[in-house]
Amino acid sequence: QVQLQESGPGLVKPSETLSLTCTVSGGSISNYYWTWVRQPPGKGLEWIGYIFYSGSTTYNPSLESRVTISLDTSKIQFSLKLSSVTAADTAVYYCAYSTTWCGGCFDPWGQGTLVTVSS
Amino acid sequence: DIQMTQSPSSLSASVGDRVTITCRASQSISSSLNWYQQKPGTAPKFLIYAASSLQSGVPSRFSGGGSGTDFTLTISSLQPEDFATYYCQQSYSAPFTFGPGTKVDIK
Repeated sequence: QVQLQESGPGLVKPSETLSLTCTVSGGSISNYYWTWVRQPPGKGLEWIGYIFYSGSTTYNPSLESRVTISLDTSKIQFSLKLSSVTAADTAVYYCAYSTTWCGGCFDPWGQGTLVTVSS
Repeated sequence: DIQMTQSPSSLSASVGDRVTITCRASQSISSSLNWYQQKPGTAPKFLIYAASSLQSGVPSRFSGGGSGTDFTLTISSLQPEDFATYYCQQSYSAPFTFGPGTKVDIK
């Protein structure tokens, strides 16, 4: 069974770049979509974007100018970079995956990692 | 973007109650509607896909319905472990969007 684990700094300064990695265990990167979703404290869920195993990406237009999602098949990891962060980017960041029959169906999810943007 | 709304935003219910949550999309999404359950401090759990199909391992007291723009999630007999926040989400087109959530707590 595939399991996902997010990792990365829990504190990022304003205007800097947030960088997170999701490590996949128990399965392969191939033939799946690899997704990032975030949730500000006490608020709802926002889809950030995903990458297909082929390397093609789709981002949420609200974040597209600042987001990069990449894949490292050798390490069975995928990453999120969000540039020029502000306090509004403070959130729990989740990685998840979805299959080709439903790219927008996210299961399973990682446990999430809280990233706080503050000086 | 497709906007998702949910009602009610919260509800109080007792163990054994039948609970129904409504989700509405801003345009037709066919049956491309999913439901997630989230408990405090944990990741969302995938419950229902394609509006009415139960994910493996999800108890049969959960059911979903609807198509087009209007959808429902029903819990036929609320159990103590069901107290949580429920989110609908459309998988019809990117950007995939979630409803604001419905919090189900104990009366």
